[in-house]
Amino acid sequence: QKEVEQDPGPLSVPEGAIVSLNCTYSNSAFQYFMWYRQYSRKGPELLMYTYSSGNKEDGRFTAQVDKSSKYISLFIRDSQPSDSATYLCAMFNAGNMLTFGGGTRLMVKP
Amino acid sequence: SAVISQKPSRDICQRGTSLTIQCQVDSQVTMMFWYRQQPGQSLTLIATANQGSEATYESGFVIDKFPISRPNLTFSTLTVSNMSPEDSSIYLCSVGRSLGTTDTQYFGPGTRLTVL
Repeated sequence: QKEVEQDPGPLSVPEGAIVSLNCTYSNSAFQYFMWYRQYSRKGPELLMYTYSSGNKEDGRFTAQVDKSSKYISLFIRDSQPSDSATYLCAMFNAGNMLTFGGGTRLMVKP
Repeated sequence: SAVISQKPSRDICQRGTSLTIQCQVDSQVTMMFWYRQQPGQSLTLIATANQGSEATYESGFVIDKFPISRPNLTFSTLTVSNMSPEDSSIYLCSVGRSLGTTDTQYFGPGTRLTVL
């Protein structure tokens, strides 16, 4: 079993839809949680990060962490075709390396 | 954030040859990392490269196959040696940066390698 699981998709939604991207993990020591966006033929770009449980909002993006369930989510409101990319969750405990999920490919159709 | 550039952006190489990938950062950083991303897969850490010390390799990666140099705080190279088609992948460098309460990593654009 992988330490971080992420549905590979592809997830196809119409423009304007609310998108929910999720990861589950098994290591309860993880404390820091990140979301990266990777466009085709580009390197991953840090989108959001959160510490421990709770929500964090940045524009159309909301990151949510539920440590009791070992489950994190990224919500995208009013999705746009420019949001089409692969979204990677990543997490770590202080002093350790990032552990990445496999990535979810999102396609937002105009 | 950090501005990270990589050279080459892509290359097609013959089996048995070696390729050196360069990573340049716009400011001094302590920690640099090299990752591999195989088609449709997530990122796998190859090694951590700190200036002034030997690179630390992850399980499954060895120095003879992936020698790394870190001559200063803004530059690193990764060499893929004696290549085979299984080495076809995207190679990414990243740097560690503090976000205040935590550290995270920023990535370069990647080098897309195809081995024939």
